[in-house]
Amino acid sequence: KNQVEQSPQSLIILEGKNCTLQCNYTVSPFSNLRWYKQDTGRGPVSLTIMTFSENTKSNGRYTATLDADTKQSSLHITASQLSDSASYICVVRGSQGNLIFGKGTKLSVKP
Amino acid sequence: EPEVTQTPSHQVTQMGQEVILRCVPISNHLYFYWYRQILGQKVEFLVSFYNNEISEKSEIFDDQFSVERPDGSNFTLKIRSTKLEDSAMYFCASTPGLAEYNEQFFGPGTRLTVL
Repeated sequence: KNQVEQSPQSLIILEGKNCTLQCNYTVSPFSNLRWYKQDTGRGPVSLTIMTFSENTKSNGRYTATLDADTKQSSLHITASQLSDSASYICVVRGSQGNLIFGKGTKLSVKP
Repeated sequence: EPEVTQTPSHQVTQMGQEVILRCVPISNHLYFYWYRQILGQKVEFLVSFYNNEISEKSEIFDDQFSVERPDGSNFTLKIRSTKLEDSAMYFCASTPGLAEYNEQFFGPGTRLTVL
């Protein structure tokens, strides 16, 4: 069954610290993997998109990695800011076009 | 910067009533999508739309749902006879090209509450 699992479910960190969020997927065949940021009550905003041939992609303080062999991805946030508080969602697109969303990791950045 | 807009932001309706959720995608985009997110759960794909027809739909998108692009700018989701379990946040999204390699731009969502 195609699934996307994220960990941790929630995370609290202090402002200025780094953190890493994990995503494991079983979607096969695989087309691409996306990370989204979703503020409470708002629509998701794209951070990165990676195809199976890419193993790292950065967008400012966000760096995503992908290991297509182990079907794992991570999102690393550097020097966190209060505005990083949000849910971070991993989304995997299968080659047949289906989009499978993870439940997200709820990140809280405290001053 | 262009953005996807959705109206209303919050819709309350009685069970069994019809609702229409409205979206205005980004003007030069060609592919349009509806998603829903039940409170506390993950986002779920409903349907994608291209060239005035449905290109993909999920199991959730049954006969109670329909989509339309009536005038070249609006993209609507209609639920014919709402059920309690239709209560959710509904997001519209659009992409300039095939979503496989293009970023999807999401609207702010419509919160649907079915009483």
